[in-house]
Amino acid sequence: NAGVTQTPKFQVLKTGQSMTLQCAQDMNHEYMSWYRQDPGMGLRLIHYSVGAGITDQGEVPNGYNVSRSTTEDFPLRLLSAAPSQTSVYFCASRYQQGTGELFFGEGSRLTVL
Amino acid sequence: EDQVTQSPEALRLQEGESSSLNCSYTVSGLRGLFWYRQDPGKGPEFLFTLYSAGEEKEKERLKATLTKKESFLHITAPKPEDSATYLCAVHNSGYSTLTFGKGTMLLVSP
Repeated sequence: NAGVTQTPKFQVLKTGQSMTLQCAQDMNHEYMSWYRQDPGMGLRLIHYSVGAGITDQGEVPNGYNVSRSTTEDFPLRLLSAAPSQTSVYFCASRYQQGTGELFFGEGSRLTVL
Repeated sequence: EDQVTQSPEALRLQEGESSSLNCSYTVSGLRGLFWYRQDPGKGPEFLFTLYSAGEEKEKERLKATLTKKESFLHITAPKPEDSATYLCAVHNSGYSTLTFGKGTMLLVSP
């Protein structure tokens, strides 16, 4: 039981490049989400999904794209990277019903030059 | 709009010196209040969920309490290994998402 797995752990991009951060969970959680964490800003929600085929925007969605074709996977796409997207990204999942605690991955540190 | 404010931003304690972290919140309908611990370079790790005013939960040297406006994380006789950032989050009953505070960075010196 691996929990929430994120890849890659570290990535350096140049401005304008695109990339995908991968997230997979093996707990059969309906709800999955992406947060970014910046110094002094805390965790901010980018996008979330309550089930396969359903996604919605969070607090800071601009510049990011998501899709949810399976229960297990929730990739985050950066369409044209900008220095403002330099951050640590966390994927988190939970059961849609129930007590609501999120299970987090280990994070992906992205630097955009 | 849900709001979560944590104080202090940073706290330095001597080993054995008890203290409390505060989480003030504004939410239209509280479904749950969560405490997480985050170590440097790691993802947040779940500690507690509190659901209603007056509820308390304990785990080793940590005790979380909840009122209608705030939650406290009490740390009794802390050890250096308790050093971490502690995050508070609220789950609004009308939404699927959690709103997080900015965290309190705790450093416990030997």
